[in-house]
Amino acid sequence: GQQVMQIPQYQHVQEGEDFTTYCNSSTTLSNIQWYKQRPGGHPVFLIQLVKSGEVKKQKRLTFQFGEAKKNSSLHITATQTTDVGTYFCASQAGTALIFGKGTTLSVSS
Amino acid sequence: NAGVTQTPKFQVLKTGQSMTLQCAQDMNHNSMYWYRQDPGMGLRLIYYSASEGTTDKGEVPNGYNVSRLNKREFSLRLESAAPSQTSVYFCASSSRPGFAYNEQFFGPGTRLTVL
Repeated sequence: GQQVMQIPQYQHVQEGEDFTTYCNSSTTLSNIQWYKQRPGGHPVFLIQLVKSGEVKKQKRLTFQFGEAKKNSSLHITATQTTDVGTYFCASQAGTALIFGKGTTLSVSS
Repeated sequence: NAGVTQTPKFQVLKTGQSMTLQCAQDMNHNSMYWYRQDPGMGLRLIYYSASEGTTDKGEVPNGYNVSRLNKREFSLRLESAAPSQTSVYFCASSSRPGFAYNEQFFGPGTRLTVL
C-alpha cells in the first residue's frame, strides 16, 4: 500500500541552526499534509500542499512539494526551543491519511 | 467549542480485560478516525468512519472493534486486552472525506497500559 518515508528519524540542533525533514514516496501523492506534535501532546495540523512544485511559508517554516509530487520537505530557519517536537508528514489515501513515522527535533539553547 | 474529546485520559488494564475508549467531536465533521501511537512507529490507523453509518479497517485493526454511534461519537473497543495493545490512542475527525482541504483534528489521547 501507499507509504511515506520520513528522514531523519531524530535530529538535534543548537538553537539558531536550521533544520530540515524530508518525506518521500515511491508513488505520486495527491497531496501532503504536515503535522506537529509537542512532547506529551497531540498532532496539530500545520499545512497542506496540493500542487506540483508548491512552496508555502509560515514565518520561519518553509514547506515544499516536489515537482513529481513524490516528495516533500519542511525547513525551519533559525530554530527556537519552541520548535521541539515531532513533525509528521501524511498523504491522502482515499478517506484516510497515511502518516510517516515522523522526525523528532530537539533543540538545545 | 471543545473540538475532539476523549475519555478516559489514562487507563490500566489487566490482560484479558475489556474496555471502550470514547471519542466525541462537536465540529459537525463527517469522518472520524482511531490511531495508535507507539515509539518509533508514528501514527497507525486502526479504524475509520468516513461518514455516519460506515466503518472501515485501517492498517492495524486486529483486536479492536469500533462503533459510530452517531455523527458526533466514535468508540473503540478492546474485547480482550493484550500487552501488545499498550499504546497511546488518538481519535481524530475531519470535515469532508476526500476533499482537498481535509485536515484532521486530534483529541488529547488516551494512554493505555495493559499488564
